[in-house]
Amino acid sequence: DVKVTQSSRYLVKRTGEKVFLECVQDMDHENMFWYRQDPGLGLRLIYFSYDVKMKEKGDIPEGYSVSREKKERFSLILESASTNQTSMYLCATLKRVSEAFFGQGTRLTVV
Amino acid sequence: RKEVEQDPGPFNVPEGATVAFNCTYSNSASQSFFWYRQDCRKEPKLLMSVYSSGNEDGRFTAQLNRASQYISLLIRDSKLSDSATYLCVVNNFGNEKLTFGTGTRLTIIP
Repeated sequence: DVKVTQSSRYLVKRTGEKVFLECVQDMDHENMFWYRQDPGLGLRLIYFSYDVKMKEKGDIPEGYSVSREKKERFSLILESASTNQTSMYLCATLKRVSEAFFGQGTRLTVV
Repeated sequence: RKEVEQDPGPFNVPEGATVAFNCTYSNSASQSFFWYRQDCRKEPKLLMSVYSSGNEDGRFTAQLNRASQYISLLIRDSKLSDSATYLCVVNNFGNEKLTFGTGTRLTIIP
């Protein structure tokens, strides 16, 4: 069974903290994505990666960075968390022109 | 203009009724189209792909109109369990990036 695992379901962090969100997949998919989902705005793409050590900016990369050192792992980093980064974060993987599989999501609150 | 646009709803529909959603996309080079379903506080999951010739899966029918750049989803004989948010998704060939609409909220009323 396909599995995309995000490290935490719920996180509470303080303003200014460095935050790491981890995503691991067991499907050997090349493409991995980080989205954030907010009411009324839907899913917005933050960063994506086609391969190890490759990364591309999505539509809203400001305030975020990513790391893909291994094919199965894609990390999202908030360098200095701010309250406007309070959101649901979703990791997804995609095999070429095919179905995307999502992790269960991480609900991050920055206080 | 947003790359993928959907009517956010909410749609409140009696059980057994037929309901249809439309979604428009702006990039004429878009190659692949999907409908995803998202239950409250859950991750999105693939409902069905949308093919040029149209396709059906049980009570669900998806259509693609490339000339007018829209896709549609029709749900017949709606069930209470169909209550969810339905996301229109477009994949542009060459960059393997999925672009999501904001979703249409559907509630089936007993």
